[in-house]
Amino acid sequence: SQQGEEDPQALSIQEGENATMNCSYKTSINNLQWYRQNSGRGLVHLILIRSNEREKHSGRLRVTLDTSKKSSSLLITASRAADTASYFCATKRTSGSRLTFGEGTQLTVNP
Amino acid sequence: DAGVTQSPTHLIKTRGQQVTLRCSPKSGHDTVSWYQQALGQGPQFIFQYYEEEERQRGNFPDRFSGHQFPNYSSELNVNALLLGDSALYLCASSLGGGTGDEQYFGPGTRLTVT
Repeated sequence: SQQGEEDPQALSIQEGENATMNCSYKTSINNLQWYRQNSGRGLVHLILIRSNEREKHSGRLRVTLDTSKKSSSLLITASRAADTASYFCATKRTSGSRLTFGEGTQLTVNP
Repeated sequence: DAGVTQSPTHLIKTRGQQVTLRCSPKSGHDTVSWYQQALGQGPQFIFQYYEEEERQRGNFPDRFSGHQFPNYSSELNVNALLLGDSALYLCASSLGGGTGDEQYFGPGTRLTVT
């Protein structure tokens, strides 16, 4: 079963706006990762945040993690049409090494 | 430096048939994980191979089996195909039995069962 749940399921914005996606999970984790997927193809790793970190930046991406609420958010600033894709959060539990994915958020950035 | 490669890209099979999917990990990686992604859903973990052994397994029936070769490449076999096996099958490579944090995904194999 999926551990994570992304919110919203779908998001449509205009180019230049910011996009925020949220992820909740159920168990303790070692780290949480965000992936991007274009048109049902392979997943591209975007950013990883460890359980002892609260915020991380990479270019236009900002990820936050609140382990007390078991939630994370991904912010994409100044969005571009090329950011249109599905975004998934995935958790790596403290024990074991498998990734457990959420259902994903479909982001559409309109030019 | 080659990334993760998978073959074939697309595959159409009939119910009851058997299928083999292949994956070559990223150069330097020794661990291969397989995921199934149904349309509109997130990937689900099938199993992981490290040192030519299945190390972890998700909630998939025994119809799903795999193998890892000495060169770290891997195969996923599915027997007695069902319509519900239609999905994108993703291979991911990593280091050290999955103790490495990041997994690098291949482009996937789209399996359609008719």
